[in-house]
Amino acid sequence: GAGVSQTPSNKVTEKGKYVELRCDPISGHTALYWYRQSLGQGPEFLIYFQGTGAADDSGLPNDRFFAVRPEGSVSTLKIQRTERGDSAVYLCASSLGGPRGNEQFFGPGTRLTVL
Amino acid sequence: AQSVSQHNHHVILSEAASLELGCNYSYGGTVNLFWYVQYPGQHLQLLLKYFSGDPLVKGIKGFEAEFIKSKFSFNLRKPSVQWSDTAEYFCAVNSRIKAAGNKLTFGGGTRVLVKP
Repeated sequence: GAGVSQTPSNKVTEKGKYVELRCDPISGHTALYWYRQSLGQGPEFLIYFQGTGAADDSGLPNDRFFAVRPEGSVSTLKIQRTERGDSAVYLCASSLGGPRGNEQFFGPGTRLTVL
Repeated sequence: AQSVSQHNHHVILSEAASLELGCNYSYGGTVNLFWYVQYPGQHLQLLLKYFSGDPLVKGIKGFEAEFIKSKFSFNLRKPSVQWSDTAEYFCAVNSRIKAAGNKLTFGGGTRVLVKP
């Protein structure tokens, strides 16, 4: 079946601009995660949705970052007033809920470059 | 807070050599452990996972990992590597506590280059 998809695959923007990154999880997966991977590092957790609600947003670096999942499927990560330090690959993952639902399936990521 | 440490940033070896990648984690509670792999140009894929039971876990493509609770380690091994094992390998951990929400904490990754 289809995996996790993310659009766009690449996004180049200028400092101060607003960007939206989209994630389509695997159908039926109730849990959705956003991670950020900077060059030479492992992915870092940003936010986790269970259904429509953000169950854990402790990884969002500041209030310029916001994410939504209004219908419990597609999610959008929104970054306001982008800064050069926001440049990274933004990864989305989804998983089934429940006690054995810990395996997360990752998308290809969106490479964000802030000039 | 959870943290994961991978000892080697880069590993270079020849085909048929044995591979062992170290992973140590820091966390006070019970955890699930994972190894993910990212082949060149591809997305992260699960290689193997440990939830409970036999601490020696077998994954895809001949990989295995051993959970040693007393050492907080989950090292990845493969007896004989192939050129196609060239990739970046990430160790990850999450908490068994339901309220923690399954978020993964990753190590910094190890880039493995297998020379033909």
